[in-house]
Amino acid sequence: QQQVKQSPQSLIVQKGGISIINCAYENTAFDYFPWYQQFPGKGPALLIAIRPDVSEKKEGRFTISFNKSAKQFSLHIMDSQPGDSATYFCAGGSGTYKYIFGTGTRLKVLA
Amino acid sequence: KAGVTQTPRYLIKTRGQQVTLSCSPISGHRSVSWYQQTPGQGLQFLFEYFSETQRNKGNFPGRFSGRQFSNSRSEMNVSTLELGDSALYLCASSERGNANTGELFFGEGSRLTVL
Repeated sequence: QQQVKQSPQSLIVQKGGISIINCAYENTAFDYFPWYQQFPGKGPALLIAIRPDVSEKKEGRFTISFNKSAKQFSLHIMDSQPGDSATYFCAGGSGTYKYIFGTGTRLKVLA
Repeated sequence: KAGVTQTPRYLIKTRGQQVTLSCSPISGHRSVSWYQQTPGQGLQFLFEYFSETQRNKGNFPGRFSGRQFSNSRSEMNVSTLELGDSALYLCASSERGNANTGELFFGEGSRLTVL
């Protein structure tokens, strides 16, 4: 099975707070785990990605935590801003571009 | 560089008709993937082409087909449309041939409504 399970489905956070989105995968052949951010009316755009040989990757306010043994990874958005309000998708992939995406998390950051 | 361009952006069809969607990748990108996006289902992989060859196909019925031309432009076709085919169809291109070394660049999608 190649599912990627993503939670929560929606998330409301106060400005300045921490947003946390979790994903779990089943396919141990996955060796690339990107997160995509999508604004209304736009296509998804790569936010940050990690490979399973590292446990954490940080880019600015965005951090991926990766737990290979548990087959889980999460996105942390520190100091969340209203401009971060978007839908976030996690994904797993290997080899060619057949990504399996999670079902998405709609994040709303209150001003 | 221009981004991924998808046409048409919006279209309305009736059940039983067929539709063709077009995607122009970023210049120099040879890999083109197609995804179907629906509320609650997220993005579901349709197929991926590299240098005119289909390398991967998702779990969609044979009514969904695609092709890639020598200039890397791609089209997807859906025949005998059903109500459940209403969705946003996203095209994505990538420069490299392996997911481990490149990122997907998505277009803004073609929103198909089937009545």
